[in-house]
Amino acid sequence: DTAVSQTPKYLVTQMGNDKSIKCEQNLGHDTMYWYKQDSKKFLKIMFSYNNKELIINETVPNRFSPKSPDKAHLNLHINSLELGDSAVYFCASNSLRERGKTDTQYFGPGTRLTVL
Amino acid sequence: ELKVEQNPLFLSMQEGKNYTIYCNYSTTSDRLYWYRQDPGKSLESLFVLLSNGAVKQEGRLMASLDTKARLSTLHITAAVHDLSATYFCAVARFTNNMRFGAGTRLTVKP
Repeated sequence: DTAVSQTPKYLVTQMGNDKSIKCEQNLGHDTMYWYKQDSKKFLKIMFSYNNKELIINETVPNRFSPKSPDKAHLNLHINSLELGDSAVYFCASNSLRERGKTDTQYFGPGTRLTVL
Repeated sequence: ELKVEQNPLFLSMQEGKNYTIYCNYSTTSDRLYWYRQDPGKSLESLFVLLSNGAVKQEGRLMASLDTKARLSTLHITAAVHDLSATYFCAVARFTNNMRFGAGTRLTVKP
């Protein structure tokens, strides 16, 4: 059973297009995240949702819009894709209820986005 | 702003040898994490360190935390090829906003 799943795994698209990446977790966690990993493997948080509410919003272009229809899902929609958006995007989840214990974030398999 | 620095960024070692990866962070934090990433794969949690002096061990890996020095170490004992991967430390301060280090790419050679 996959704990954190993402679709699609690979996404190749042209500049200027709009695309979405979906994430689902079946761990019963209340918090979900999107991270971007660039070509140098540097990982940076983009967004975080807790119980469907946005709690972390790093400096990310407005072209990126997260949507959380429920606690188990966090989707990422990207408008007007640019070359610099090419990266691997990871979804992650954990539970804030467990803070102070082990609130480890569990990561999805990643979506490799290539913008041509 | 919380900054996390790892060194070395690249590490090539022989099987059977010992080595340590260092993770320094710039401001007070209440949690430190170590993750492993294999090429083309996701991140796998290795350790969570919550308090000063915390030490955790799993197989050939041992992680420790010194909050006063703002330093965590990941020690590798008698390295084997299967440990080849990129290792990330990450630090969180009061929230779940984790800041990652740049990663240490470890290659273990026979």
